[in-house]
Amino acid sequence: EAGVAQSPRYKIIEKRQSVAFWCNPISGHATLYWYQQILGQGPKLLIQFQNNGVVDDSQLPKDRFSAERLKGVDSTLKIQPAKLEDSAVYLCASSSDREGQLFFGSGTQLSVL
Amino acid sequence: AQSVTQPDIHITVSEGASLELRCNYSYGATPYLFWYVQSPGQGLQLLLKYFSGDTLVQGIKGFEAEFKRSQSSFNLRKPSVHWSDAAEYFCAVGGPPSGTYKYIFGTGTRLKVLA
Repeated sequence: EAGVAQSPRYKIIEKRQSVAFWCNPISGHATLYWYQQILGQGPKLLIQFQNNGVVDDSQLPKDRFSAERLKGVDSTLKIQPAKLEDSAVYLCASSSDREGQLFFGSGTQLSVL
Repeated sequence: AQSVTQPDIHITVSEGASLELRCNYSYGATPYLFWYVQSPGQGLQLLLKYFSGDTLVQGIKGFEAEFKRSQSSFNLRKPSVHWSDAAEYFCAVGGPPSGTYKYIFGTGTRLKVLA
């Protein structure tokens, strides 16, 4: 079974630039999550999708962050414009409610200079 | 409010010694509890999970955890630590209050293993 795929693995941008991350969940997993993990902290949920609908985006900074999950499969997370404090690892995870656990991708490490 | 507390930011143990990582939670309903491990530059890997039943759960890599409802704790243990166990460990709590799983993570405990 293929795992959660994320790209790119690393990204370095300057502040005020835009950046996009891509995630392909495990096949058949209806729920997809984007987490932000700042160095030294635990993952913080940014947005949760159930199929292609948003379940929870209460902690997503909507003035600069956006996410979509077209056709209920893969997803993109975008930051525009980026700030220095957006430097973090962005983790994508998926789950099937039947299993009740998260499966994580390797993450995208973003550095904003 | 739902929360997870991992009181120890860093723990150092010698190889072969026993290990216990602490986790306390606050959750309104019966919690689903998880421990994940993260190696440098990697995503999180599930070590074990507790949904119901036996309060002592076994996981991968020789880890186990015990759910104590009265103490709101879910501590992770390993009888003999190996150098390859050096990593960051996250406790998480969650559940399907409305049909979809929601998860909250602790801030993590970084484990260092001395040879």
